[in-house]
Amino acid sequence: DTEVTQTPKHLVMGMTNKKSLKCEQHMGHRAMYWYKQKAKKPPELMFVYSYEKLSINESVPSRFSPECPNSSLLNLHLHALQPEDSALYLCASSQDRLHSGNTIYFGEGSWLTVV
Amino acid sequence: LAKTTQPISMDSYEGQEVNITCSHNNIATNDYITWYQQFPSQGPRFIIQGYKTKVTNEVASLFIPADRKSSTLSLPRVSLSDTAVYYCLVAPFSSGSARQLTFGSGTQLTVLP
Repeated sequence: DTEVTQTPKHLVMGMTNKKSLKCEQHMGHRAMYWYKQKAKKPPELMFVYSYEKLSINESVPSRFSPECPNSSLLNLHLHALQPEDSALYLCASSQDRLHSGNTIYFGEGSWLTVV
Repeated sequence: LAKTTQPISMDSYEGQEVNITCSHNNIATNDYITWYQQFPSQGPRFIIQGYKTKVTNEVASLFIPADRKSSTLSLPRVSLSDTAVYYCLVAPFSSGSARQLTFGSGTQLTVLP
């Protein structure tokens, strides 16, 4: 069982809505990640936080806004999304990004449908 | 950067041993190899990780030859519930490059009765 918890599991939102995806881990990990996964494709990296600071942004459109309030929480704020943004959004964490051999642990994901 | 190549799909029968190979010709000295399993509509689940030679845990074995340019995930006596996509990830987790946190295309394993 994963120790990375994501809520909600399913979200349907209109293109003018503002919503948020939430992620929590209590493993003491200091690196947290957002991935996006479309059907039958591998996960694609969106953002990486290291010690609560954004360290990687993979040229993600500004309608996706990440936030890391503390070392256990990671949010993804959504605004003015497009139907093509519908996907499984995966949160993950790892001990940190400073040592080789870190294992990334994933949550179960949040299914997002934009209508 | 260590790009990975895996077979797109594999079929097997229940009770057989399955070996899935991942090629990573440009693997760097600091890179580790990690395998994940993913069922539909779920997040990837960690299976096994290794650096060289052989690693074994309760669910799988990972074989890495001396040149480390490939690795083989071995699943003993598969069952129907092992039907999933298997990803090989090669990364040091100690660099700022996002490409080193990028998954390959994965292998769809289908276990038949």
